[in-house]
This record gives sequence, structure tokens and C-alpha cells, in this order.
Amino acid sequence: AQKITQTQPGMFVQEKEAVTLDCTYDTSDQSYGLFWYKQPSSGEMIFLIYQGSYDEQNATEGRYSLNFQKARKSANLVISASQLGDSAMYFCAMREVWMDSSYKLIFGSGTRLLVRP
Amino acid sequence: DTGVSQDPRHKITKRGQNVTFRCDPISEHNRLYWYRQTLGQGPEFLTYFQNEAQLEKSRLLSDRFSAERPKGSFSTLEIQRTEQGDSAMYLCASSSPGQGSRIADTQYFGPGTRLTVL
Repeated sequence: AQKITQTQPGMFVQEKEAVTLDCTYDTSDQSYGLFWYKQPSSGEMIFLIYQGSYDEQNATEGRYSLNFQKARKSANLVISASQLGDSAMYFCAMREVWMDSSYKLIFGSGTRLLVRP
Repeated sequence: DTGVSQDPRHKITKRGQNVTFRCDPISEHNRLYWYRQTLGQGPEFLTYFQNEAQLEKSRLLSDRFSAERPKGSFSTLEIQRTEQGDSAMYLCASSSPGQGSRIADTQYFGPGTRLTVL
């Protein structure tokens, strides 16, 4: 069964430093997508970055990069040059694609990041 | 703003009452999803529409829950005879087929409707 594990309930980082949020996943399929979302206290889920299982290079989007290690089934999010506005919950999610009609996302339990000034 | 919108943002109701939530997806998106998020947890999938067809339902979606998307545009989620355990954030998301890849299909979320059942 699909499963996403985020082992860090909470993390602190100093402003302007980099931080890595861990995510491991479990799937028996070869085709899947991995997503990271940010959820501020307002509640809206904000899409950050996507990595496909067949993508050879790690995804990057501005200050966000995804450290994808397929053999270890990990997809860690790296935030560089942390800003105070990065304080939020971060969720890792996965979608398998072997079922043509199934597009649901499976989410982890999240990591709360607090950026210290 | 052309993002996903949800109404209402907050709903307080008494146990046993019926409630209905509305979601307006991004206009060009043909796929629409409902998720439920309880405190301290990640969102859990409830149901999925492609255009007006409801293609997948989670076992979390009990008989008291019904979702519709009558014209393939906005969607409604109704909960009948609410229970205290229904208190949660109800999130709606939409997507369109990924450009050049079925895997992408990024889901964009609305602000959610927070339901409190007293």
C-alpha cells in the first residue's frame, strides 16, 4: 500500500540558513509522482515542487529543491536561505499513476517549520 | 483571482444538522477533488470528479456524505446528520492533465472550509 512518512514533527531553522525536511515513501509501482505542499496558518495548501519517478534530475523551483533518492525511496525538500515567511506546515505527497482513473494524493503527517529571526 | 475558491470558509453547526459546501475550481481544470484534514494530520482523499463524472470515492465517504458536480464546473459536498467526528477542514483541489506527462497533473487547493460540529 502507498504510504508517506515524515519523521520530523517540528523543525527550527535560523533565518537565511538552509533546512532539509525529510520524506520517505513506500510504493510497489515504478511510475509515481512526488509533491511538496506548504500550509500556512491560514489553511490553504500551496504547491511548491514536483518530482516524477522517471525524472533523472532533481527538481528545483527557486529556493526549493527536492533531493530525490529513488533507491532509498526518499524525497527530501531543501529550502535554501530561509525566510520568516517560510514558517508553516510542510506536507509531502505521492500519486501513483498505474491506475488510469486514480489521481488521488496520499499525504504524510507533515512537518512544522519555524524560522527564527 | 483565478484560483480555487470555497464557500463558506467557516461553518459551525449542531449535531444532526445538514451542511453543504461549495467549491469553484480553476476555470480550465476538468478534475476536481475533495479532501478532509483533521487537526495535526495530512489531508485524506474523499472523492474525485473528472468533468461531471464521479470516478472515485474513498471508504471514508460514508452514506451521509454526497458530492456532486452537475455541470462539470463547481462542486458541492453535503454532509447529512452531522456528527462531532465530522469536524475537520474540508479541502477542494482541481487539476488538468499534465502537459506532456500524466504524472504531473498538479493539484491546486482552495482555502478550505472549516467545519465545527457542536
